[in-house]
Amino acid sequence: NAGVTQTPKFRILKIGQSMTLQCTQDMNHNYMYWYRQDPGMGLKLIYYSVGAGITDKGEVPNGYNVSRSTTEDFPLRLELAAPSQTSVYFCASSYEGNTIYFGEGSWLTVV
Amino acid sequence: AQSVTQLDSQVPVFEEAPVELRCNYSSSVSVYLFWYVQYPNQGLQLLLKYLSGSTLVKGINGFEAEFNKSQTSFHLRKPSVHISDTAEYFCAVSVRGAQKLVFGQGTRLTINP
Repeated sequence: NAGVTQTPKFRILKIGQSMTLQCTQDMNHNYMYWYRQDPGMGLKLIYYSVGAGITDKGEVPNGYNVSRSTTEDFPLRLELAAPSQTSVYFCASSYEGNTIYFGEGSWLTVV
Repeated sequence: AQSVTQLDSQVPVFEEAPVELRCNYSSSVSVYLFWYVQYPNQGLQLLLKYLSGSTLVKGINGFEAEFNKSQTSFHLRKPSVHISDTAEYFCAVSVRGAQKLVFGQGTRLTINP
């Protein structure tokens, strides 16, 4: 029972580099999300998707891009990484937006 | 817009003592309410949720929460905590019919022997 799977778990990036955080879910959920977690700040929504081909901005989308070509996958792209993007990133999914299930997180450090 | 306030950033408790983690929300429309738990270096796990019906909701690991619409609160309680309950707890709200969760800042629960 895989649920929501994120890769990589840990990554160190240099300022200005780009990378993609991968996320896949095997629950046939239509909704998928990317959150970032900073100490003492709770989780902030970056982007979300209500189905394949549809994405929308959350609270903190600047510096990120997403795509949703399939129901299962929802990659998060960081372009021109900045120290402010040092954070823990969580991918999540839900069916019809009620109970949201989270992946185990990706720890990203930008130096 | 919705918002969630967790009134305590840290709560230290002795083992086997009761605990209450406080959560207040703000919304002009009906909401769903959730509590999630995050153990160190792990993702978030759903503890319990209120969608409708009985205002007293029971979750996993002996936790329960009560929805109080007049006070816009959804406090989490456990009558007797264990060392293994040490974790960070997040309250979250979503608007009915919407697709997004808004989280509180989190409460770090520390259980002392």
